[in-house]
Amino acid sequence: NAGVTQTPKFRILKIGQSMTLQCTQDMNHNYMYWYRQDPGMGLKLIYYSVGAGITDKGEVPNGYNVSRSTTEDFPLRLELAAPSQTSVYFCASSFDRVIEAFFGQGTRLTVV
Amino acid sequence: GQQLNQSPQSMFIQEGEDVSMNCTSSSIFNTWLWYKQDPGEGPVLLIALYKAGELTSNGRLTAQFGITRKDSFLNISASIPSDVGIYFCAGSYNTNAGKSTFGDGTTLTVKP
Repeated sequence: NAGVTQTPKFRILKIGQSMTLQCTQDMNHNYMYWYRQDPGMGLKLIYYSVGAGITDKGEVPNGYNVSRSTTEDFPLRLELAAPSQTSVYFCASSFDRVIEAFFGQGTRLTVV
Repeated sequence: GQQLNQSPQSMFIQEGEDVSMNCTSSSIFNTWLWYKQDPGEGPVLLIALYKAGELTSNGRLTAQFGITRKDSFLNISASIPSDVGIYFCAGSYNTNAGKSTFGDGTTLTVKP
């Protein structure tokens, strides 16, 4: 069982560069989420999706974009990387109306 | 937005001791979740609580959903070295597309 798979695991970006963090799940979950985790802090919700074709902003969406063209995939796009986006990014998924989320292993991003 | 205060921030205990940590919220939740995060990994769900007053156990772990719906606690009995990690509480509304608000975590260190 793969669960939630994130790629890459690590990435260093220069200020102003763009990149896409990939997330895919094989559990047929409708709900998917992107969180960021800063050192010593809990997780903050960036964007979420309740199904293919539907996305919505979370608590900290500025500087990010998402798309959900299929149930399985939920990529997160950074258009103009800034040092404030240095963080660990977690993708998660869950069943409808059941909110226990299954998390990926994270992507550690450094913007220099 | 909703705020979760999780305490203590860190704990250093001897193997075999019991551990208690808690979360309080500025607003009510319909669901409380407790996650554990190992270094370099994503959070993993330990216990989910769905009803005010509910007390649920998972092995040596016991968690309770506070009567006021604004707090929850997690107890670990007879700690062992593999209990080391960061424990997060999270609160959510079942109807809120599964979005959860996370506490900042309790870092547990267990000395053999």
